[in-house]
Amino acid sequence: GDSVTQMEGPVTLSEEAFLTINCTYTATGYPSLFWYVQYPGEGLQLLLKATKADDKGSNKGFEATYRKETTSFHLEKGSVQVSDSAVYFCALFSGGYNKLIFGAGTRLAVHP
Amino acid sequence: NAGVTQTPKFQVLKTGQSMTLQCAQDMNHNSMYWYRQDPGMGLRLIYYSASEGTTDKGEVPNGYNVSRLNKREFSLRLESAAPSQTSVYFCASSESSRGYTEAFFGQGTRLTVV
Repeated sequence: GDSVTQMEGPVTLSEEAFLTINCTYTATGYPSLFWYVQYPGEGLQLLLKATKADDKGSNKGFEATYRKETTSFHLEKGSVQVSDSAVYFCALFSGGYNKLIFGAGTRLAVHP
Repeated sequence: NAGVTQTPKFQVLKTGQSMTLQCAQDMNHNSMYWYRQDPGMGLRLIYYSASEGTTDKGEVPNGYNVSRLNKREFSLRLESAAPSQTSVYFCASSESSRGYTEAFFGQGTRLTVV
C-alpha cells in the first residue's frame, strides 16, 4: 500500500542553521504531497503542499519540491529560528485509498 | 473562526468503559476524519466520512464506531475502552475527499485508558 517514510528525529540545530528533513514516499499514481507542522499542545496545520511533479511548495521560508523520479519531497529551510521548533509530518493523499497518509513525524529543536 | 472543535481535551477511562469523542467544524466542509497519534507512528486513520451520510474504515478501525450526525459533526465512539486505545485523537475536515485541498485539524483529545 501507499506509505510515507521520514527521517527519524529528533533533529537539533542552532539558530540560523540550514534545515533538511528527508521524506520519501511509495504510491500508485500521482499523489498530492504535503508537509504539516505540529507546535506543542496543538493540532496539525498545513505548512506547504505540491500537487504534481516538479511543483515547489513554499511557506514561511520552508520549501519542498515534488520529485517523482526519486519519489521524494524533502523539506528545507535556509535559516531556522527557535520558533520553528515543532514536529513536522510529511503526508500524501492516496487517491487509490482515498485518504491522507502520514509519516511518523520528525521533531525539530532549535536552540539559540 | 472556530475551525475544528473537539471535546473533551483530556479524558481518563477505566478499561471497559465507553465514551464518545465529539467533533464539529464550521467551515462547511464535506469530508471529516478521525486519526490517532501514537509516538513514532505518525497519524493513523481510524474512520473517515467523505460526505454527509457516508462513513468508511481507515487503517485502524477495530474497537471504534463513528457517526456523521450532520454535515458539521462527526463523532467517534469507544464502546469498551482498552489500554491499547490510549492515544491522542485528532479530528480533521477538508472541503473534499479528493485530496487537493487542505485538511484542518482540531487541537486533539488526549485519552488515557487505565
